[in-house]
Amino acid sequence: DAGVTQSPTHLIKTRGQHVTLRCSPISGHKSVSWYQQVLGQGPQFIFQYYEKEERGRGNFPDRFSARQFPNYSSELNVNALLLGDSALYLCASSRQGWGADTQYFGPGTRLTVL
Amino acid sequence: AQSVTQPDIHITVSEGASLELRCNYSYGATPYLFWYVQSPGQGLQLLLKYFSGDTLVQGIKGFEAEFKRSQSSFNLRKPSVHWSDAAEYFCAVGGTLFGNEKLTFGTGTRLTIIP
Repeated sequence: DAGVTQSPTHLIKTRGQHVTLRCSPISGHKSVSWYQQVLGQGPQFIFQYYEKEERGRGNFPDRFSARQFPNYSSELNVNALLLGDSALYLCASSRQGWGADTQYFGPGTRLTVL
Repeated sequence: AQSVTQPDIHITVSEGASLELRCNYSYGATPYLFWYVQSPGQGLQLLLKYFSGDTLVQGIKGFEAEFKRSQSSFNLRKPSVHWSDAAEYFCAVGGTLFGNEKLTFGTGTRLTIIP
């Protein structure tokens, strides 16, 4: 079975622009979570979606938004990009989205904001 | 609040030597604990996890970890490291406290293997 896939692999944007990142979960997984990993740090939780509903939100500004589609894929949107948004954005999927579930991570999207 | 502390930013070990990576956590309920490994430019791969039961957990690639509730620790061990183990290691905590699957990660420990 294919793992979690993310697109694009790399992205370069300028300040003030908008970006959309995409994630396809493992087949049969209904939950998708997004994490931001700044260079030299551990991943930080941004959002979790389960069955198209937001189940959790981390401490990120409203410029960050996400949604989940009926096929369980997900998009992360970031508006008005800042230099500090440069990071590796990781998507993770799990079957049922509860704490005991294992989250499987994709390879990430590397976003560079100039 | 939940938090994870990995006190060692960088560890260097000789190939064939034993390894222990430290992890301390804070969580307001029964924690679920994880160790992930990340190679340069890659995503995260799960090494092992603890939910309940036996406090000594076996994982992939010969790794194991021991949950010690009294010390709020979940240290990762390997009896003999291989050059391919060089990577960044992250400890994470989650659970049912907030009704979601949020994981809180430590800042990571970079492992270097010398011949």
